[in-house]
Amino acid sequence: IQMTQSPSSLSASVGDRVTITCRASPRITNNVNWYQQTPGKAPKLLIYAASSLQSGVPSRFSGSGSGTDFTLTISSLQPEDFGTYYCQQSYSTPYTFGQGTKLEIK
Amino acid sequence: QVQLVQSGAEVRKPGASVKVSCKASGYTFTTFYIHWVRQAPGQGLEWMGIIRPSNERASYAQKFQGRVTMTRDTSTSTVYLELRGLRSDDTAVYYCARDPGTSSSWFDPWGQGTLVTVSS
Repeated sequence: IQMTQSPSSLSASVGDRVTITCRASPRITNNVNWYQQTPGKAPKLLIYAASSLQSGVPSRFSGSGSGTDFTLTISSLQPEDFGTYYCQQSYSTPYTFGQGTKLEIK
Repeated sequence: QVQLVQSGAEVRKPGASVKVSCKASGYTFTTFYIHWVRQAPGQGLEWMGIIRPSNERASYAQKFQGRVTMTRDTSTSTVYLELRGLRSDDTAVYYCARDPGTSSSWFDPWGQGTLVTVSS
């Protein structure tokens, strides 16, 4: 299953609303997870099963989508939100990741 | 708290093998699957396979079939990843991650990563 993520990079200001999208081919119900990775660190789970917020993750993060199109939204960008974001499908093995979106804070 | 602690960095020559460990703590080891994911320098994430610690059954990505073995030691709550026939493009950070999912799979938490460098 191919996960196509966009954009590959973006720059936004503190307080902005940010949206990252992931398209699955073929369709995969709601088996999509989102991770944040900062330089030199392991990825951190943000959203699982498309829209469930992982415990301890700020509520400004949200996920939506089903089937082929999935979205990660940050409602009000904070300085600590920089890093690379990855979507991942867990519908069938081999589990695959999007190519990543590098988020820079202006 | 739930924690996965991995072994330290390794350097190997092409053709050699490497075995990376991942020690789990803070939960019942046999309850949850463990995945292995790798990341080449400056690149994205690549899923390698999954092991069920309760019975040591493992499933591997086809790309790694024949070169990889995942095992576990329940006495130390540790899972292992062995990769054989190393090539320069196996240079990467290797992560283990727990799968707490029920009806689906997700990875949380992750180990800190182990850098494997393959160089002559």
